[in-house]
Amino acid sequence: AQSVTQLGSHVSVSEGALVLLRCNYSSSVPPYLFWYVQYPNQGLQLLLKYTTGATLVKGINGFEAEFKKSETSFHLTKPSAHMSDAAEYFCAVKRGAGGTSYGKLTFGQGTILTVHP
Amino acid sequence: GAGVSQSPSNKVTEKGKDVELRCDPISGHTALYWYRQSLGQGLEFLIYFQGNSAPDKSGLPSDRFSAERTGGSVSTLTIQRTQQEDSAVYLCASSPGTGAGVEQFFGPGTRLTVL
Repeated sequence: AQSVTQLGSHVSVSEGALVLLRCNYSSSVPPYLFWYVQYPNQGLQLLLKYTTGATLVKGINGFEAEFKKSETSFHLTKPSAHMSDAAEYFCAVKRGAGGTSYGKLTFGQGTILTVHP
Repeated sequence: GAGVSQSPSNKVTEKGKDVELRCDPISGHTALYWYRQSLGQGLEFLIYFQGNSAPDKSGLPSDRFSAERTGGSVSTLTIQRTQQEDSAVYLCASSPGTGAGVEQFFGPGTRLTVL
């Protein structure tokens, strides 16, 4: 079974400050990991994903995340927050190699990011 | 190109009524997923289609929920005898395949309110 834990349901930062959203996963097989963003009244948009290879992945809007197997983490960061980053962010895991993979995403509970001017 | 579309965008119904939610995936996408987003439960997987068949229905919460997909395209999620706990945003996603690294593209969702 797989699960995802996002630490902190709400994160507040000042504009220009570092953004750090935490995600830890549990998976019995190597996972594929995703970060999605959801703006108010919209669907989810993919920010970035880790499949294989380089553990530091870069996404859209200046976000990046690092896969750390030893820590079972996939934290999302952005060096400098912008007002437009205010949204809800979801970490998700999909079963990877070693088992039947049909694409089901298991999501964390989400983190609402607030950016103050 | 066109993304995933869902209709209606909002649906208000009375307890006990049946509702149908529609999803139009991106053309050519073989895989289609339904998820539910609610305050208490977060984002939950409901059902997955590969073509017109549903290999995984494990997320459907009760037998009041059913879904079908026709022509490998449009999908309909039906909720019979709606209950207040069915109130949620129902999200549909499609993808060109089921590979683990393949991106799912999400629609804007249908907000269902059961009075």
